[in-house]
Amino acid sequence: DAGVIQSPRHEVTEMGQEVTLRCKLISGHNSLFWYRQTMMRGLELLIYFNNNVPIDDSGMPEDRFSAKMPNASFSTLKIQPSEPRDSAVYFCASSFLGTDNSPLHFGNGTRLTVT
Amino acid sequence: DAKTTQPPSMDCAEGRAANLPCNHSTISGNEYVYWYRQIHSQGPQYIIHGLKNNETNEMASLIITEDRKSSTLILPHATLRDTAVYYCIVAKNAGNMLTFGGGTRLMVKP
Repeated sequence: DAGVIQSPRHEVTEMGQEVTLRCKLISGHNSLFWYRQTMMRGLELLIYFNNNVPIDDSGMPEDRFSAKMPNASFSTLKIQPSEPRDSAVYFCASSFLGTDNSPLHFGNGTRLTVT
Repeated sequence: DAKTTQPPSMDCAEGRAANLPCNHSTISGNEYVYWYRQIHSQGPQYIIHGLKNNETNEMASLIITEDRKSSTLILPHATLRDTAVYYCIVAKNAGNMLTFGGGTRLMVKP
């Protein structure tokens, strides 16, 4: 298994532009988590989905952020319009939530720089 | 989920055992102790978890005190590649929402 795949690995954009981050879950996993990591705030959970349904989006900073799961294996996190304070590393993680305790598997992140 | 307390940093000599402590005095009966690590520029990686009993896998051992208020992650023979930030997390379910604290930055030195 290739693990959780995120793209792009690096994204540099100008303030005001739309940014779309992508994530492919591990096959068979049914839960998807988006985290953001900065030096100041560490790893923060933004939103998580179970069986394609958003369960908790209380960590999403504001309306400029939106996340979707168009199918069971893929997710996008969109920022529109982007701002310099959105600069961070964004991680996607997946797991299987069921009767067994499956740990979170993380991708290697997308480093976003907004100038 | 219960909160955890870890030292911000630790050093360890290469080849020696690295013992990383974690306090979780408010842990409840149905919460597990999970350990993840994050090597520079990578996503966090699951290491091990336990409920009451000590656990061992190919990566590490986890020792949980009898009252479950603290635990220790042991890397038996640390290598330079074990240099990372180690996170101790208490949660009801490994595959669910996890709250990451500051972790312990382990530096393995030659």
